[in-house]
Amino acid sequence: DVKVTQSSRYLVKRTGEKVFLECVQDMDHENMFWYRQDPGLGLRLIYFSYDVKMKEKGDIPEGYSVSREKKERFSLILESASTNQTSMYLCASSLLGQGFDQPQHFGDGTRLSIL
Amino acid sequence: QQQVKQSPQSLIVQKGGIPIINCAYENTAFDYFPWYQQFPGKGPALLIAIRPDVSEKKEGRFTISFNKSAKQFSLHIMDSQPGDSATYFCAASSTLGGSNYKLTFGKGTLLTVNP
Repeated sequence: DVKVTQSSRYLVKRTGEKVFLECVQDMDHENMFWYRQDPGLGLRLIYFSYDVKMKEKGDIPEGYSVSREKKERFSLILESASTNQTSMYLCASSLLGQGFDQPQHFGDGTRLSIL
Repeated sequence: QQQVKQSPQSLIVQKGGIPIINCAYENTAFDYFPWYQQFPGKGPALLIAIRPDVSEKKEGRFTISFNKSAKQFSLHIMDSQPGDSATYFCAASSTLGGSNYKLTFGKGTLLTVNP
């Protein structure tokens, strides 16, 4: 089974801090994604990457950056955390392309609180 | 912005009932429509998916109905069980072009199945 592991289940940080969220997948997937999930808003794509060192902005990239130095690891960076970034963050991975054989596999999320 | 509109936001049924969740989309380039199921404390997981060349797909007690002309699709859960209580997300993507791995999600439906 595909496993997507997010390094922390819960994280509490202070405003202005630089925050790193880490995600590792074990299935050699080309694509990796970062979403945030908020009640009533569903899943919104922050950034995605289709190859090492490659990244593209999603729908809500403001205030975030990403890093993908190795194929299996995708990091989300909050450059200067703000309270409106308090949320559940979900990482996902998939094989290149999209279709029945290439679903996105999600981690169990990191609940981030910014105080 | 590409959108997928999902309704209802929440749904309560009795065991054995048939909950129906509806989604509508605008982008006619969408050609892949998955449903994801999310249990509390877990990431979403692919439940079932359909392409627009068929009007219905069944997997066990879960059925997707697709109406291409109306740009709508829905999830039906037959003989629902308390274990089906979860949040359900519809999604859509286009497998044409370079961004064929980006999913656009609906806002989710919280389903409760009472015993």
